[in-house]
Amino acid sequence: DVKVTQSSRYLVKRTGEKVFLECVQDMDHENMFWYRQDPGLGLRLIYFSYDVKMKEKGDIPEGYSVSREKKERFSLILESASTNQTSMYLCASRTNTGEQYFGPGTRLTVT
Amino acid sequence: DQQVKQNSPSLSVQEGRISILNCDYTNSMFDYFLWYKKYPAEGPTFLISISSIKDKNEDGRFTVFLNKSAKHLSLHIVPSQPGDSAVYFCAASAAGGGADGLTFGKGTHLIIQP
Repeated sequence: DVKVTQSSRYLVKRTGEKVFLECVQDMDHENMFWYRQDPGLGLRLIYFSYDVKMKEKGDIPEGYSVSREKKERFSLILESASTNQTSMYLCASRTNTGEQYFGPGTRLTVT
Repeated sequence: DQQVKQNSPSLSVQEGRISILNCDYTNSMFDYFLWYKKYPAEGPTFLISISSIKDKNEDGRFTVFLNKSAKHLSLHIVPSQPGDSAVYFCAASAAGGGADGLTFGKGTHLIIQP
């Protein structure tokens, strides 16, 4: 079974704070992804990584950065959190056959 | 412009009947399609996928149909059960099998009525 874990289920931060969201997968997958889900908008890709230290921008990378120092860990960083970054953040890991498996999500509220 | 469209925000089906969820896409490069189920406050759960070389894939109560000429796919759930009540997302990827991420529709909220 693929297991993807995220460091927090719920997080409340203040505007301007630096926020770290951590994601770990235990299946030695090369590809990992960060999405955000907002009501009426579905899931949108923020960043992805296909190998250690490699990263690519997704569809909505503005205001975010990522870090992949180890294969199993992919971190999403909000350098200076803003209220429009209040969202559900979902990390995923991809199998060799193309399916992506998601973590439980982090509900981030920026006040 | 939305490349993956789920035009029904919600769908209500009686328990035991068939649920049909629809999805349309516009990008001709998409060649791999997936369906996910999502409960509130949880991550999406992978349900079933289909490659563009097939027109049907079946897994238990779930069947996905792909009509490439119409750029349309559908998910059939038979018989529908109360636990199927959730939001269903259609997703697609281009050549590369999703290595550069999936494009998702906005989701359809399926409600199974007793």
